[in-house]
Amino acid sequence: GAVVSQHPSRVICKSGTSVKIECRSLDFQATTMFWYRQFPKQSLMLMATSNEGSKATYEQGVEKDKFLINHASLTLSTLTVTSAHPEDSSFYICSAPGPQGGNQPQHFGDGTRLSIL
Amino acid sequence: DAKTTQPTSMDCAEGRAANLPCNHSTISGNEYVYWYRQIHSQGPQYIIHGLKNNETNEMASLIITEDRKSSTLILPHATLRDTAVYYCIVRVDEYGNKLVFGAGTILRVKS
Repeated sequence: GAVVSQHPSRVICKSGTSVKIECRSLDFQATTMFWYRQFPKQSLMLMATSNEGSKATYEQGVEKDKFLINHASLTLSTLTVTSAHPEDSSFYICSAPGPQGGNQPQHFGDGTRLSIL
Repeated sequence: DAKTTQPTSMDCAEGRAANLPCNHSTISGNEYVYWYRQIHSQGPQYIIHGLKNNETNEMASLIITEDRKSSTLILPHATLRDTAVYYCIVRVDEYGNKLVFGAGTILRVKS
């Protein structure tokens, strides 16, 4: 079945560092991908929709200059957390619609746990 | 997309059927019901989805009421590995349409 790979699975870095997270669709193309973040004991919160070849669409309240999204190819979207601070520590998850599109489930990566010291 | 209402948590004995309800009284005619689950510290996993007919796959069964205002996810023989947060989501079936997660139901399967 369709697989979405996310890398890295865990990252720990110092405050002020920029961190890049990759999301790849391994055996299918995805012109759209989604980025979520999840705080402990909370549900997933949609951050933005990543669109191949065009600008990402951000949800209300998500800072586009803080969370840079680049969807440079049909199989790769990246999320860069710029100048990360401890409050950015969270579980970041990406997803992509199934290869058939439309009435097909989305496939999720295994998430990236970001810890900012 | 229509909102859903699920119980906060449920317990189920190992080996028994787990029945997870979901209310979606404002669902529109072109919205599907999707179920996902999230095991601790992992990404969500697709379980099943349907429009108006009952559906069954290797993981679960989905029962949708005739008026489509509610549905039930059935795990026929729950195991300890089924302990997870279960999310019921309704959305219009279009490529690129986002999934919006509610709080979900914490299912605890106990031996």
